[in-house]
Amino acid sequence: AQRVTQPEKLLSVFKGAPVELKCNYSYSGSPELFWYVQYSRQRLQLLLRHISRESIKGFTADLNKGETSFHLKKPFAQEEDSAMYYCALMTGGFKTIFGAGTRLFVKA
Amino acid sequence: DVKVTQSSRYLVKRTGEKVFLECVQDMDHENMFWYRQDPGLGLRLIYFSYDVKMKEKGDIPEGYSVSREKKERFSLILESASTNQTSMYLCASSIQGTDSPLHFGNGTRLTVT
Repeated sequence: AQRVTQPEKLLSVFKGAPVELKCNYSYSGSPELFWYVQYSRQRLQLLLRHISRESIKGFTADLNKGETSFHLKKPFAQEEDSAMYYCALMTGGFKTIFGAGTRLFVKA
Repeated sequence: DVKVTQSSRYLVKRTGEKVFLECVQDMDHENMFWYRQDPGLGLRLIYFSYDVKMKEKGDIPEGYSVSREKKERFSLILESASTNQTSMYLCASSIQGTDSPLHFGNGTRLTVT
């Protein structure tokens, strides 16, 4: 079955601390993985995708096929990082499956 | 910049009413999608379309239908609204091909009483 699991509903860290949002997936094909973010009162938007191998707003995510994971990391969290984060898996070219989401709260 | 516009930000409807949610995108995207967003469940795909007049069921199509008569417009229809369809509805679009991210609208919060 195709599935995306984000085990933490809420993650709370202090400003300047490292943050890791976990994502595991289940898919028999070659995965295309994304992280989307929704800031307060804004639309859901793409944060990064695994194929780009880029760092956006200090965030990176590495695809680990052995562990079927795509964890999102940032070495030093900022207050403006507080948002809802969704891990997503694209299957078959256009269908995208989302995890339940993790709310990140960065405390001052 | 891609713009996906959902016609209503908030809607309140009564049980049994027929409800139309409209979505328009201005970037000539082939693919369009309707998701519902619920706390603790994330986004669940209702229907999607990869071309005009084409539609495919997503994971939770029951109680919904869609219409895509023009490339830029994708409508979600609740044939007979029920209270369990109270939710945030998100429309999204993307270009054809792999690794194409979704571009989302602002969402429509529907309350069925």
